[in-house]
Amino acid sequence: QVQLVESGGGVVLRGRSPRLSCAASGFIFSSHAMHWVRQAPGKGLEWVAVISYDGSNEYYADSVKGRFTISRDNPKNTLYLQLSNLRDDDTAIYYCARDRAGTVAGIDSWGQGALVIVSS
Amino acid sequence: DIQMTQSPSTLSAFVGDRVTITCRASQSISNWLAWYQQKPGKAPEVLIYRASTLESGVPSRFSGSGSGTEFTLTVSSLQPDDFATYYCQQYYTSPFTFGPGTKVDV
Repeated sequence: QVQLVESGGGVVLRGRSPRLSCAASGFIFSSHAMHWVRQAPGKGLEWVAVISYDGSNEYYADSVKGRFTISRDNPKNTLYLQLSNLRDDDTAIYYCARDRAGTVAGIDSWGQGALVIVSS
Repeated sequence: DIQMTQSPSTLSAFVGDRVTITCRASQSISNWLAWYQQKPGKAPEVLIYRASTLESGVPSRFSGSGSGTEFTLTVSSLQPDDFATYYCQQYYTSPFTFGPGTKVDV
């Protein structure tokens, strides 16, 4: 079955640039677009970024554009999110999610999330 | 950017009730809409995609309808496991925005 396991979260200093990873298994990773979605404590879901199946297209939320970078390594079945210029409001659970198609057609599976706490 | 709104923000209901949640988009999104359920401390799960297609494994008491700018999620007979927060999301165009959520409680 589809498994998505995020890692790389924790307490991060505002000046650092951590990278989140999402290890995928149970499906053909290179056939699916992949998303990052985040949720601040006690708040709703916020879509962050998506990357197409082959990495040729990326789209970002305005709140992270220019600061976060989504990427993927298809041979390693791994999705990444590079975070930089972190702000307090980037504190959130970051979910990796699979799209049901190679380009955007809707999320059909979610990881359990990685908590990122931005601290000064 | 397309803005998504949901109503109500909170809904109090009983087991067995028919429950309807409305999601509105600030511009037409055709039927590029999904509904998700999230329970406390858990990742969301997809219920409906393409506005009205039931995700595999989701109970048939859930249904979705609508197109353009107005959509509804209906639970025909609320079960104890259905008390959760529900989100809509448009995937018509980037940024692929979520609605603010509707909490269904007792």
